[in-house]
Parts: sequence; C-alpha cells; structure tokens
Amino acid sequence: AQTVTQSQPEMSVQEAETVTLSCTYDTSESNYYLFWYKQPPSRQMILVIRQEAYKQQNATENRFSVNFQKAAKSFSLKISDSQLGDTAMYFCAFVESNAGNMLTFGGGTRLMVKP
Amino acid sequence: NAGVTQTPKFQVLKTGQSMTLQCAQDMNHEYMSWYRQDPGMGLRLIHYSVGAGITDQGEVPNGYNVSRSTTEDFPLRLLSAAPSQTSVYFCASSRQGPYNEQFFGPGTRLTVL
Repeated sequence: AQTVTQSQPEMSVQEAETVTLSCTYDTSESNYYLFWYKQPPSRQMILVIRQEAYKQQNATENRFSVNFQKAAKSFSLKISDSQLGDTAMYFCAFVESNAGNMLTFGGGTRLMVKP
Repeated sequence: NAGVTQTPKFQVLKTGQSMTLQCAQDMNHEYMSWYRQDPGMGLRLIHYSVGAGITDQGEVPNGYNVSRSTTEDFPLRLLSAAPSQTSVYFCASSRQGPYNEQFFGPGTRLTVL
C-alpha cells in the first residue's frame, strides 16, 4: 500500500521568513507523481506544486519550491518570503503511474504565518 | 466557468437515512473523484471515475455508491448513514487522471447523528 508521511503536524513562521515542510513516501515504483496541496481556512484545496519523479530538476512556482530526493523518498516544500496568506493546511500527495488512478494524501501540516 | 460545484454545503442526517451528495464540473474533465477528510488523516479516496459510465473503488468505498451517467456529474450516495461517515466530503476533477492538477469543490460537511 502507498503511504505518505508528514511528520510535522504544526509549524509556525514569521512573515517574510522561510519555512520547509517535510514529506516522505513509500514506493517500489520508479515512475510516479508528487504534489503539494494547500487548504486555507476557507477549506478550498488548491494545487501548490507538482513534481514528476522522472525529472531530476526540482519544481518551483514563484515563492514555492521543492527538494525532491528520490533515493531517500523525500519531497519537502520550501516557502520563501512567507506571507500571511500562506497560513493553511498543507498536504503532500503521491500517485504511482500504474496505481490505478489512486492519489494518496499525507496527514497534513498546519502552517501558521505570524506577523 | 464555475469549476467544481458541490451541494449541499452542510447536511445533518440520522443513522440509517440515505442521501446523495451532488458534484458537477464544467471543465469537460474525464477524471472525477470523491474524498473524505477526517481530522489528522488527510484526504482518503472513496470512489473515482475515469469517464462517463466508468467508476471504480478507492481506499474507503464501503457504505457509498457512485454513478457517472454524464461527463459533468458524479453524485455520491450514502446508502444507510452511520456516525462513522461524519466527515467533510470533497469532490475533485482533473484532465486525464490524478497525475494532473485536481480541481476541488468547496466540500460538504456531513454530520450523522
């Protein structure tokens, strides 16, 4: 069974600083996709960033970047220049290419950005 | 575009009652899915569909039924509600499967007494 682990239930960061959220996953496959989704207090889930396992280069989206360590099965999210609007639950998610269309989510990390 | 819409936003049921959660999308996405979100457990896949007429079970399908008669609609039916089904339910859609960005609805908070 696929598993995704987020070891930090809660984190906080000062506005304008940098924070890194951790995610590890378990798979025996070599081809898969990884995601970070954000869920603000409004409850609306939004994609933050997507990584394809066969791509060596780490994905970036503006202030959001990932550190993808395939051998270690690690997929951390770095948020630079944190803003108050980044306050949210962040979920790491994973799907294998041949997994029958099943996306597995981690338990989430609650991030609070403080002014 | 309205994106993914869900109705109702809130619902309270008594044990044993049945109901249908509605989900619709206007993006012509082939892939649609239902998740439940419980505290501390992230989202878990209930059922999914890769196109009209095709559905399959996810991680936690027991007690739920789905159908996909059109590309746009993907209703979730609770056959006989139980307190263990108290949760927040999200519908999502994406182009060609979960490998692409999924667009989520606003969720339905369901309480079963």
